[in-house]
Amino acid sequence: DAKTTQPTSMDCAEGRAANLPCNHSTISGNEYVYWYRQIHSQGPQYIIHGLKNNETNEMASLIITEDRKSSTLILPHATLRDTAVYYCIVKSAGTASKLTFGTGTRLQVTL
Amino acid sequence: DTAVSQTPKYLVTQMGNDKSIKCEQNLGHDTMYWYKQDSKKFLKIMFSYNNKELIINETVPNRFSPKSPDKAHLNLHINSLELGDSAVYFCASSHMWTGKDTEAFFGQGTRLTVV
Repeated sequence: DAKTTQPTSMDCAEGRAANLPCNHSTISGNEYVYWYRQIHSQGPQYIIHGLKNNETNEMASLIITEDRKSSTLILPHATLRDTAVYYCIVKSAGTASKLTFGTGTRLQVTL
Repeated sequence: DTAVSQTPKYLVTQMGNDKSIKCEQNLGHDTMYWYKQDSKKFLKIMFSYNNKELIINETVPNRFSPKSPDKAHLNLHINSLELGDSAVYFCASSHMWTGKDTEAFFGQGTRLTVV
């Protein structure tokens, strides 16, 4: 699976949009981009995933560049409860399906 | 209803003991996983089972033995516990690749402390 690079930490004011970038320059054609988050002491939580088109769900939006070498997770109106470590993961399709977690981005939402 | 549940949530035990962690999922998934999160917060996969068959076995000491009695359960047994086994262990489940990839659901973790 391709490696990802994320900033170590970011701050965001409550109510503002949080934009979390991820670089995955070695991504291959059948690899999906996944985002998970881990709120302190809890199990990782799925947020969103995509292949090449932009995606939106009730939690977030995922913007993938046309060359697929980078993506951005957008939390449109961050709240204090969104404070967590956010993981960008590139995962290949296949019968052995595992998530390879990196160090992620620690997002701190402040008042 | 909890989708992926692990028991116990906390486990404190002495070195050399044998312990088990249980995991159950009620999502109808066919694949289950064990992940380990160490003190530096790195999350790493240990095992994966698909329809009770072992499909992923990362470099894990033989003292760790997963057992899957059915698709909804994946237990982790650890023999001769060592200090370095102290970590948070997460169980997860998902559908296997079916042409459109799907997300994994994680349990709340079992914090194992070996003293």
